[in-house]
Amino acid sequence: DAKTTQPPSMDCAEGRAANLPCNHSTISGNEYVYWYRQIHSQGPQYIIHGLKNNETNEMASLIITEDRKSSTLILPHATLRDTAVYYCIVRPYSGGGADGLTFGKGTHLIIQP
Amino acid sequence: NAGVTQTPKFQVLKTGQSMTLQCAQDMNHEYMSWYRQDPGMGLRLIHYSVGAGITDQGEVPNGYNVSRSTTEDFPLRLLSAAPSQTSVYFCASTIKGAGEQYFGPGTRLTVT
Repeated sequence: DAKTTQPPSMDCAEGRAANLPCNHSTISGNEYVYWYRQIHSQGPQYIIHGLKNNETNEMASLIITEDRKSSTLILPHATLRDTAVYYCIVRPYSGGGADGLTFGKGTHLIIQP
Repeated sequence: NAGVTQTPKFQVLKTGQSMTLQCAQDMNHEYMSWYRQDPGMGLRLIHYSVGAGITDQGEVPNGYNVSRSTTEDFPLRLLSAAPSQTSVYFCASTIKGAGEQYFGPGTRLTVT
């Protein structure tokens, strides 16, 4: 699976859009970009994934650059409950034999009141 | 649906003791896996299963055993606990090969 690079921490004011960047310059053509988050002490929670088109769901939007070497997760109106560690993961949709996810250290997003 | 459940939530073991961490899911997912998370670190894959009767090793399998006799259950056994196994353990499940995995609430294990 391709390696990802994320800033270790970010702040965002409550009510504003939180934009979390991720670099994945070695991404392969069959690899998707997945985002998860982990709120303190809880199990990771799936947020969104995409291949090359921008995606939106009830939680967030995912913007992938045209060359697919980077992406941005957008939380449109951040609340205090969005404070969490956000993980960007790149992998094929179907992982084949090793179906685990490779988690790095992620970005600790702190929403400020 | 209860989703993915794990028991116990907390456990303290002495070095050398054995125990089993339980994981169950009611979503009829074929794939299940176990991760550990050490302080300040991301999750690391211990073992995974692609279906009943089939298991395989992940990144950090040493000191752990698994079995998968049913679709619903995927227990993780610590054979002889060591302080290095102090960690938070998460179980996850997913449909066949998908990246959208569903995680349990975790078991916090301390080995003294």
